[in-house]
Amino acid sequence: DAKTTQPTSMDCAEGRAANLPCNHSTISGNEYVYWYRQIHSQGPQYIIHGLKNNETNEMASLIITEDRKSSTLILPHATLRDTAVYYCIVSYGTSYGKLTFGQGTILTVHP
Amino acid sequence: SQTIHQWPATLVQPVGSPLSLECTVEGTSNPNLYWYRQAAGRGLQLLFYSVGIGQISSEVPQNLSASRPQDRQFILSSKKLLLSDSGFYLCAWSGANYGYTFGSGTRLTVV
Repeated sequence: DAKTTQPTSMDCAEGRAANLPCNHSTISGNEYVYWYRQIHSQGPQYIIHGLKNNETNEMASLIITEDRKSSTLILPHATLRDTAVYYCIVSYGTSYGKLTFGQGTILTVHP
Repeated sequence: SQTIHQWPATLVQPVGSPLSLECTVEGTSNPNLYWYRQAAGRGLQLLFYSVGIGQISSEVPQNLSASRPQDRQFILSSKKLLLSDSGFYLCAWSGANYGYTFGSGTRLTVV
């Protein structure tokens, strides 16, 4: 599985959009980009995933660059409950691939 | 709907004692199953994964073992715990149409 690079930490004001970047320059054509988050002392929670096209669900939006070498997770209106560690992972898919977690980005949402 | 159960939630064990953590999945068949460990302040490390009954793959050499006696049951064991086995243990499953879903975790403290 390709490796990812994320900033160690980010801050965001409550109510603002949180934009979390991820670099995955060695991603292969069949690998998906997954985003998970982990709130303290809980198991990771799935947020969103995509292959080539931008994706949106009730939690977030995922913007993948055309060359697929980087992506951005967008939380449109961050709340205090969004404070967590956010993991960007590339994988061939959960049927076949293992999710390898890096250090992630610690997102702190401030009042 | 699919659910994953993991127990116990917390465990304090003396060094040299055995360990058995159990994980069960409901509402799906033939899931891929995973054991992760998260040491204090660290990322998630994949320990074992299984694609079927009796099929176990180990990711890192360690003092632990895993077994899958039934399709939806995954057990993490140790014959003699070490202090370094302390951590937050997470079970997860994935399927053809479902992403990773994590259990609530077991916080193990070896004293």
